Amino acid sequence: AQKITQTQPGMFVQEKEAVTLDCTYDTSDQSYGLFWYKQPSSGEMIFLIYQGSYDEQNATEGRYSLNFQKARKSANLVISASQLGDSAMYFCAMREGRRGYSTLTFGKGTMLLVSP
Amino acid sequence: GAGVSQTPSNKVTEKGKYVELRCDPISGHTALYWYRQSLGQGPEFLIYFQGTGAADDSGLPNDRFFAVRPEGSVSTLKIQRTERGDSAVYLCASSVSGRGTYNEQFFGPGTRLTVL
Repeated sequence: AQKITQTQPGMFVQEKEAVTLDCTYDTSDQSYGLFWYKQPSSGEMIFLIYQGSYDEQNATEGRYSLNFQKARKSANLVISASQLGDSAMYFCAMREGRRGYSTLTFGKGTMLLVSP
Repeated sequence: GAGVSQTPSNKVTEKGKYVELRCDPISGHTALYWYRQSLGQGPEFLIYFQGTGAADDSGLPNDRFFAVRPEGSVSTLKIQRTERGDSAVYLCASSVSGRGTYNEQFFGPGTRLTVL
């Protein structure tokens, strides 16, 4: 079974609109961390936002927020007021406590295209 | 400040050859990670170093892959008898420590390996 599932291969959004990128995860650990990374066409992985499994409030970082629903094991990324520069691949990732928090397990990603 | 650097940025080799990929982590980061990203996929974990030692090498696909970090800073990923299936982008990341759920990994730009 996949540990991180991103069901949207591609998403389209118009500039200035909000968009939600889906992520569900699978773990039996009580302690884990969830991450979102952005990968532009240049290839570098850019950290966007983090949510800990014990965090009671949803994480926010500027235009990025994480809609964390622990019971449903989902950690969707919400990008508000999309910009042309947001066009990129977006990856959801998890670090599990059982592995000593040492590694990230990534989903297959969602390609976001922002149109003018 | 300087980020994670990787050399070469591109490497083309022939099937059966030996290759070395180098990673220079951010100064002071004790944890170093190697990932492999195949076309259309998210990064997959290969190996994690804490200091000089490989703390987790469970992601290495077979014994043709080996990595070292002799002085606890620069790391080299070595691939023997390369196969066409080894073609991918090899990403290196580093973090201040390998512990804790929130432990931001900073990624390098990657080395694109092509095996002909």
